[in-house]
Amino acid sequence: AQTVTQSQPEMSVQEAETVTLSCTYDTSESDYYLFWYKQPPSRQMILVIRQEAYKQQNATENRFSVNFQKAAKSFSLKISDSQLGDAAMYFCAYRSLDSNYQLIWGAGTKLIIKP
Amino acid sequence: DTAVSQTPKYLVTQMGNDKSIKCEQNLGHDTMYWYKQDSKKFLKIMFSYNNKELIINETVPNRFSPKSPDKAHLNLHINSLELGDSAVYFCASSQDAGPSSPLHFGNGTRLTVT
Repeated sequence: AQTVTQSQPEMSVQEAETVTLSCTYDTSESDYYLFWYKQPPSRQMILVIRQEAYKQQNATENRFSVNFQKAAKSFSLKISDSQLGDAAMYFCAYRSLDSNYQLIWGAGTKLIIKP
Repeated sequence: DTAVSQTPKYLVTQMGNDKSIKCEQNLGHDTMYWYKQDSKKFLKIMFSYNNKELIINETVPNRFSPKSPDKAHLNLHINSLELGDSAVYFCASSQDAGPSSPLHFGNGTRLTVT
């Protein structure tokens, strides 16, 4: 069974600095999807970025980018120019191409932005 | 224009009661979900419907019964509430049930059972 591990329960970064949140996963599949979701204090889960495993190019969305290392089964999220509004829980998720495409979630990393 | 809306936002009730949480999406999506987030923020899938048909039914007590009257709605009814049911419940939708479709979440319903 697939698993997703976020080894950093909490991270903090100075405003305007760059921070990287780590995510590793375990799978025997060659094709799958990976996601980062953000959950601010408002509670709503918001999609940050998506990566397709068969694409070698790292996904980027404005200040958010990923470092996808397929062989190492690593999918880290880099946030550049951190802003106060980035403060949230960040969840990494893996989606298999079988098992009804269920999402496997990491435990989350709480990101604190220091002004 | 709320994409996925669920009501109520907060629900406080006593053990043994029956309650419902409603969810509606106006995105035209085919697939809807219910997730439970516990106090440690762990997310667990409960149910998933695709075009009103149940496709995922995880191991949850049969006190929990989802109902999908149409593609845009997926309600969650809970019978005989227990203390352990206290959690935040999230409704979500996706364009289809495929693996590339990201989920769009509602704001969650915080259920407190006393």
